Amino acid sequence: GAGVSQSPSNKVTEKGKDVELRCDPISGHTALYWYRQSLGQGLEFLIYFQGNSAPDKSGLPSDRFSAERTGGSVSTLTIQRTQQEDSAVYLCASSFPLAGATDTQYFGPGTRLTVL
Amino acid sequence: GENVEQHPSTLSVQEGDSAVIKCTYSDSASNYFPWYKQELGKRPQLIIDIRSNVGEKKDQRIAVTLNKTAKHFSLHITETQPEDSAVYFCAASIWSGNQFYFGTGTSLTVIP
Repeated sequence: GAGVSQSPSNKVTEKGKDVELRCDPISGHTALYWYRQSLGQGLEFLIYFQGNSAPDKSGLPSDRFSAERTGGSVSTLTIQRTQQEDSAVYLCASSFPLAGATDTQYFGPGTRLTVL
Repeated sequence: GENVEQHPSTLSVQEGDSAVIKCTYSDSASNYFPWYKQELGKRPQLIIDIRSNVGEKKDQRIAVTLNKTAKHFSLHITETQPEDSAVYFCAASIWSGNQFYFGTGTSLTVIP
């Protein structure tokens, strides 16, 4: 079936503007993760959704960042009042963890955000 | 919380030689250790993973070993080929599955 998809693939915005990034996980995957990857850097965890549980927001770098997951499927990552340091590739991943365990994550292609 | 360290940050090998990338983790509760390969401009792709109930897993030219006592795990690529050139990330996940903690990546270059 289809993999994880993300949109847009590229986003250029001006400093101070708000942006919304979208992630469509693999159908049936209950877990959804957002990561940020700055140029040449590793993967920085942002937020995790699992089913109907409260999301784990411990990785969000500031209160300008928020995310929602509607109906347990599509997720939107919102960055308000963007700053130049927000420029990065934002990756979404989904998985289907077995009860009480972890499982393989499948990554989307990412959204490259550039804040001018 | 968990802390994953990955070494080396860059690695160059001649085609046909072996490459080894090592990761250490801090939380003994971690029980799942995937490795991802990320080619330039592309998404990370899972290449192999290991769970804490086994010490070694192999898939063709790729193998991963896990030492739970020492809290380290390694990726071994044998008979390297130019198409193995990429950035490799290790990760560790705690039993609850809330987070994956990634290493900082190793940029592998296989020289033809």
